[in-house]
Amino acid sequence: AQSVTQLDSQVPVFEEAPVELRCNYSSSVSVYLFWYVQYPNQGLQLLLKYLSGSTLVKGINGFEAEFNKSQTSFHLRKPSVHISDTAEYFCACSAGNMLTFGGGTRLMVKP
Amino acid sequence: ETGVTQTPRHLVMGMTNKKSLKCEQHLGHNAMYWYKQSAKKPLELMFVYNFKEQTENNSVPSRFSPECPNSSHLFLHLHTLQPEDSALYLCASSQDRQLGGQPQHFGDGTRLSIL
Repeated sequence: AQSVTQLDSQVPVFEEAPVELRCNYSSSVSVYLFWYVQYPNQGLQLLLKYLSGSTLVKGINGFEAEFNKSQTSFHLRKPSVHISDTAEYFCACSAGNMLTFGGGTRLMVKP
Repeated sequence: ETGVTQTPRHLVMGMTNKKSLKCEQHLGHNAMYWYKQSAKKPLELMFVYNFKEQTENNSVPSRFSPECPNSSHLFLHLHTLQPEDSALYLCASSQDRQLGGQPQHFGDGTRLSIL
């Protein structure tokens, strides 16, 4: 069985500042990793995914994430956030045919 | 536009009513999922269908009854719900439940309120 921990339930940040949303996973087998974003009154939208290869993955809206196998982490970063990035962000881990979500991190971008 | 459409977007019902949620995907996927998203709780996987066959039922109460007539359509039939069933119900699809590394594509959900 695998698990996903998002270490921060809320992250407040000022507009144009950098941000990192942390995600750690636990699994006894190789995994695939995903970040999803959920804007108010919408479903989850895929931001990026790590399947194999380069550990730095670029996604939509200027986000990127780095897979670190030794630290079992997949942190999400953006160098400069916008007000429109205010949303809930979910990290997810897939091993075999199981997809497990973290509890979510609410990113609040302030002007 | 995610390719997964859910209707209705909002639903208010009494505890004795019967209603259905509908999900349709236009992505050619073979796996479909129902999730429950409650405030302050992680996403809960409810049901999984792969090639129209139900492969998972995560201890969901029988007042929730899924139906998958074909790979493109998924329903969730509701009857005699409880106030704690008020939540956002999300439908998702993926290429094949058995394939690893396949992202799930989500609809915008149905916001359900039980009076």
